[in-house]
Amino acid sequence: SQQGEEDPQALSIQEGENATMNCSYKTSINNLQWYRQNSGRGLVHLILIRSNEREKHSGRLRVTLDTSKKSSSLLITASRAADTASYFCATDGIQGAQKLVFGQGTRLTINP
Amino acid sequence: DAGITQSPRHKVTETGTPVTLRCHQTENHRYMYWYRQDPGHGLRLIHYSYGVKDTDKGEVSDGYSVSRSKTEDFLLTLESATSSQTSVYFCAIRSGQPNEKLFFGSGTQLSVL
Repeated sequence: SQQGEEDPQALSIQEGENATMNCSYKTSINNLQWYRQNSGRGLVHLILIRSNEREKHSGRLRVTLDTSKKSSSLLITASRAADTASYFCATDGIQGAQKLVFGQGTRLTINP
Repeated sequence: DAGITQSPRHKVTETGTPVTLRCHQTENHRYMYWYRQDPGHGLRLIHYSYGVKDTDKGEVSDGYSVSRSKTEDFLLTLESATSSQTSVYFCAIRSGQPNEKLFFGSGTQLSVL
């Protein structure tokens, strides 16, 4: 399976601190995506990074991708209480994006 | 939520009964997906569709069937529900390349007693 695995499973930090979550996967990919899920809701797309990219930014989000290590990291800077959610990485295979496979997620709690 | 609606939002049923979950989209997107979400397993793909009447299996397809007779509707059927199928079910849609991100519905909480 090419399933991504997030690390840590849970993370609790103070508001204003930076939060870093990691994702590892097993097979070659076309792209890697990060999603956020608030409690009781569906997932929301955050950012997509392609296999030929090493870093991407979107607002307070910074994503890195290291294809040699088959890993990615999501950094949220200057965290806010509203960032409290679960974060998932998702990967597709070289055969196409039809089967987007998700990891188990990191539960992030921002304490005020 | 990007024009995607799941119904019902909650359902309680008994073991052995058939159950159908519906996903409806107003975006005219080509791809539609059914995932289940369970603690400790994240989201797992059940089935997906890449067009009307075109479907394929995901990693946990046993015990599930799907149908897509119209672009806007993707049905997930549990022919004979089991307690192991108690889960939260999410539908997702995608327009296709170059836009590869998924848009998710709000989920269906299914309890099989």
